[in-house]
Amino acid sequence: GESVGLHLPTLSVQEGDNSIINCAYSNSASDYFIWYKQESGKGPQFIIDIRSNMDKRQGQRVTVLLNKTVKHLSLQIAATQPGDSAVYFCAVLLFMDTGRRALTFGSGTRLQVQP
Amino acid sequence: EAQVTQNPRYLITVTGKKLTVTCSQNMNHEYMSWYRQDPGLGLRQIYYSMNVEVTDKGDVPEGYKVSRKEKRNFPLILESPSPNQTSLYFCASSQTRNINIQYFGAGTRLSVL
Repeated sequence: GESVGLHLPTLSVQEGDNSIINCAYSNSASDYFIWYKQESGKGPQFIIDIRSNMDKRQGQRVTVLLNKTVKHLSLQIAATQPGDSAVYFCAVLLFMDTGRRALTFGSGTRLQVQP
Repeated sequence: EAQVTQNPRYLITVTGKKLTVTCSQNMNHEYMSWYRQDPGLGLRQIYYSMNVEVTDKGDVPEGYKVSRKEKRNFPLILESPSPNQTSLYFCASSQTRNINIQYFGAGTRLSVL
């Protein structure tokens, strides 16, 4: 199986600062690591993912870092904006021997952007 | 517009009264899934479907049923709801080759009294 945990339930940052959201996972055989953003009253929305054979991937204002040695994943948001205020979930995709592809989510970190 | 549509958005019911939450996607996705979201627990998978007539249990399937008779629809059925099924439910869909990129509905908030 897999367990996924986030380090902080809430993160408060000033507008314009960089944000770093952390996540730990348990299964070293995990294949994909994904970040989702959930705004109030909406379903989660895919942000960025990284395969297990990579250690860094960049998107628009976001960077995901993967440290397989310590089983740690982080999402960095550059120049945080008020629109970035949301709950962020990390998720891990594992291809199991049974054929099931299990996507396991962490409990989420609420990012609050202060003006 | 590509979307996953859930109905109803809000539902209050009583213990034991059968209910169905519908889910429909217009992206021709093979993979569909149901999750429940509870405070401090993130999203937990209830059931998933790899394609029409192919469904399987997720992590928390007890008390739920699903069916996949058509590719676009994946209803969640609670035959005899209980208060511990009070939760926020999300349906999601994706291409089978890109399960990491799931598209979520807006959610159904269910209260079982």
